[in-house]
Amino acid sequence: DGGITQSPKYLFRKEGQNVTLSCEQNLNHDAMYWYRQDPGQGLRLIYYSQIVNDFQKGDIAEGYSVSREKKESFPLTVTSAQKNPTAFYLCASSINSVSNQPQHFGDGTRLSIL
Amino acid sequence: QQQVKQSPQSLIVQKGGIPIINCAYENTAFDYFPWYQQFPGKGPALLIAIRPDVSEKKEGRFTISFNKSAKQFSLHIMDSQPGDSATYFCAASMAGNTGKLIFGQGTTLQVKP
Repeated sequence: DGGITQSPKYLFRKEGQNVTLSCEQNLNHDAMYWYRQDPGQGLRLIYYSQIVNDFQKGDIAEGYSVSREKKESFPLTVTSAQKNPTAFYLCASSINSVSNQPQHFGDGTRLSIL
Repeated sequence: QQQVKQSPQSLIVQKGGIPIINCAYENTAFDYFPWYQQFPGKGPALLIAIRPDVSEKKEGRFTISFNKSAKQFSLHIMDSQPGDSATYFCAASMAGNTGKLIFGQGTTLQVKP
């Protein structure tokens, strides 16, 4: 089945630690996105990538980093600089980023502070 | 200008009722307006989407109404069922703007049996 796989489902971070959230898609989509979801605030864009080896900051990129070395993979690192990392993180992909194609979401990773 | 404002924050209806969720935007450059449905612990799933050259779009029990002059759009769920209980998000994006979606704050819908 084609889709987006996020792992792990739950993740705990210690003070001063970097953690990496995995996102893999087998839809052959060019564009990939990371969103953060907090209660009552909708989804906010962290980073996005229109093509392999390219990515741009979204609206709330501070304290996060990404890479896009392969078309199917777009991992997100939550660094120790992100002071309020507790949230539900969602990865999405679309065929491309130019023509407003639908975005397909994974089932998220819930990150908490230990 | 980049915001999408969604209301109400929560909604409770009886089975068979027609819940209506409203969204408003400021940026007239937005040209794609999708609605997403999200169940607890899951990612959002695309329900239905509309472009500003259409005033209404139906897919099954879900209808989007679009008022370009008022810069508002709404989701109606006909004959609502308990299985429709979920959080609904409206969103907007601009053509050529890298596909970035601006989401509303979400509406939690409960349909009582």
